[in-house]
Amino acid sequence: GAVVSQHPSWVICKSGTSVKIECRSLDFQATTMFWYRQFPKQSLMLMATSNEGSKATYEQGVEKDKFLINHASLTLSTLTVTSAHPEDSSFYICSSGTVDQPQHFGDGTRLSIL
Amino acid sequence: AQSVTQLDSQVPVFEEAPVELRCNYSSSVSVYLFWYVQYPNQGLQLLLKYLSGSTLVKGINGFEAEFNKSQTSFHLRKPSVHISDTAEYFCAVMKAAGNKLTFGGGTRVLVKP
Repeated sequence: GAVVSQHPSWVICKSGTSVKIECRSLDFQATTMFWYRQFPKQSLMLMATSNEGSKATYEQGVEKDKFLINHASLTLSTLTVTSAHPEDSSFYICSSGTVDQPQHFGDGTRLSIL
Repeated sequence: AQSVTQLDSQVPVFEEAPVELRCNYSSSVSVYLFWYVQYPNQGLQLLLKYLSGSTLVKGINGFEAEFNKSQTSFHLRKPSVHISDTAEYFCAVMKAAGNKLTFGGGTRVLVKP
């Protein structure tokens, strides 16, 4: 079945560095991908909708300059957390799909900023 | 806007006992409904979905859910749980004309031997 591959699964880095997370659709073309953030023991909060070939649409309260999203091809979307700080530590999950297909989720990236 | 309420944040249950996870939603437009399961440090896996048709939906791993429009509910059930069902379960809705999911707060199921 359709699979979304997310990389890396875990990253630890120093405060002030930038971190890139990749989300790939392995056997289908994803014109739209979604990026979520999940704090411990909480639900998923949609951060932004990534559209191939155009600018991402960010949810209210999400800093566009902080969380850079690029969707340059039909199989790859990236989320870059710029100048990361400890409060950016979280579990980030991408997904793809449309309503008539189940939304396929990546396995998530646990980001820890020291 | 849509909203989803999962009434129980945590449900302890003994192995082989039945379990029901409650989900209520609010929306001014038609919605599609989903249940997902999340194992520790993993993404979400679709259990089942309701788009239209029969209100009783059967999913993977022996789960089923019933859509009740009048009560705006979509409760998830399993007649006999296994230890491996220990996980976080999320109910979600999507506008029928959209593609964004809105998630409930999640219900943590802990299956005890």
